[in-house]
Amino acid sequence: DIPMTQSPSSLSASVGDRVTFTCRAGQAISTYLNWYQQKPGKAPKLLIYAASSLQSGVPSRFSGSGSGTDFTLTISGLQPEDFATYFCQQTYSSFTFGQGTRLEIK
Amino acid sequence: VQLLQSGAEVKKPGASVNVSCKASGYRFTGYYVHWVRLAPGQGLEWMGWINPNSGVTKYAQKFQGGVTMTRDTSSDSVYMEMTSLTSDDTAFYYCARERRVVAGQPFDLWGQGTPVTVSS
Repeated sequence: DIPMTQSPSSLSASVGDRVTFTCRAGQAISTYLNWYQQKPGKAPKLLIYAASSLQSGVPSRFSGSGSGTDFTLTISGLQPEDFATYFCQQTYSSFTFGQGTRLEIK
Repeated sequence: VQLLQSGAEVKKPGASVNVSCKASGYRFTGYYVHWVRLAPGQGLEWMGWINPNSGVTKYAQKFQGGVTMTRDTSSDSVYMEMTSLTSDDTAFYYCARERRVVAGQPFDLWGQGTPVTVSS
């Protein structure tokens, strides 16, 4: 299995802030990297696929970048509904997820 | 378009559990269905997939021998049975679909999750 490491494990920010999450793969995975948002008691929601493609219906304040081993998810202009946990997932070889980054209100 | 899962389960150690996932609003046989779990304090853990068209399955090594995934095309449903439960299996269990045009696609639709509690 390819380990996926997310940092930080938690992050405090305010509405309107720009925040960046990082995900590192244990080996090169090209752009087989997806980002999900999960709110308490809800199912995960696909935000970004193939490292940088925005899923239909997802606001354009979400963006992703990276290839190989290092990836980022950026939210430009945090909204109240964005406070949640964010997971990365590699689909290059089988499927593994990062441990998640919890985004909290400052 | 949704995946609707069965309700919460409470089981004793050593028991088995069967969780269902019913697809609606899309062509059931056109998408693989995966099972993923989220245990307290842990990250998401992939368990395996089933191809609803053929019934072919693939399991994560950790779950081979303890998990069985099946499907019923007459009801557009997939099922995940887990045997010999321990407290470590206490988790939310999710089904999720993948449009397997080519390998490595994302999971674009998830079920609402089924909490399974294993306790004596």
